[in-house]
Amino acid sequence: KQEVTQIPAALSVPEGENLVLNCSFTDSAIYNLQWFRQDPGKGLTSLLLIQSSQREQTSGRLNASLDKSSGRSTLYIAASQPGDSATYLCAVDTDKLIFGTGTRLQVFP
Amino acid sequence: AAGVIQSPRHLIKEKRETATLKCYPIPRHDTVYWYQQGPGQDPQFLISFYEKMQSDKGSIPDRFSAQQFSDYHSELNMSSLELGDSALYFCASSFNSYEQYFGPGTRLTVT
Repeated sequence: KQEVTQIPAALSVPEGENLVLNCSFTDSAIYNLQWFRQDPGKGLTSLLLIQSSQREQTSGRLNASLDKSSGRSTLYIAASQPGDSATYLCAVDTDKLIFGTGTRLQVFP
Repeated sequence: AAGVIQSPRHLIKEKRETATLKCYPIPRHDTVYWYQQGPGQDPQFLISFYEKMQSDKGSIPDRFSAQQFSDYHSELNMSSLELGDSALYFCASSFNSYEQYFGPGTRLTVT
């Protein structure tokens, strides 16, 4: 059974820091991996999608990497801003999305 | 660009009542997914439809049913509601099983 874990569960940093959020999964048979952002009580905003054949994807200050063989993905956030404060969820696609437990990020001025 | 539409956005029901949630996928998307996110939980997959046929089923209670109609919109029907059904219900759609785009969710509160 696929299990997805995210570390750390919570993170509080000052503005301007570069961050790394970690996601690990137990079964490497995935189609894609998506990173989402969720503000409290709100919907899921897709940030990046990495296909299983890809190693990384970049969008603005975000960079996500995927190592399927070791069951790991990282989301790198450069020069963090208070507006980045949210919960970040990774999800592996096995015809349905299986979500990780999330990392709650707070960036303070 | 058109996004996934869900209605209603908020719904309050009493125990043992029924509820119907609606989802309108992005035009030309062929797959619809339903997820349930309880308070403080990560989203859990309920059910999906590909070209109007059920394609996969997750942890969906027998009290719930869903279908996808000829215009590709989908409805999640929930009967004999319980307090534990209070959650955010998300619908997502994709084309050719690629990236899933999520709707804003329906917040269901059962009292």
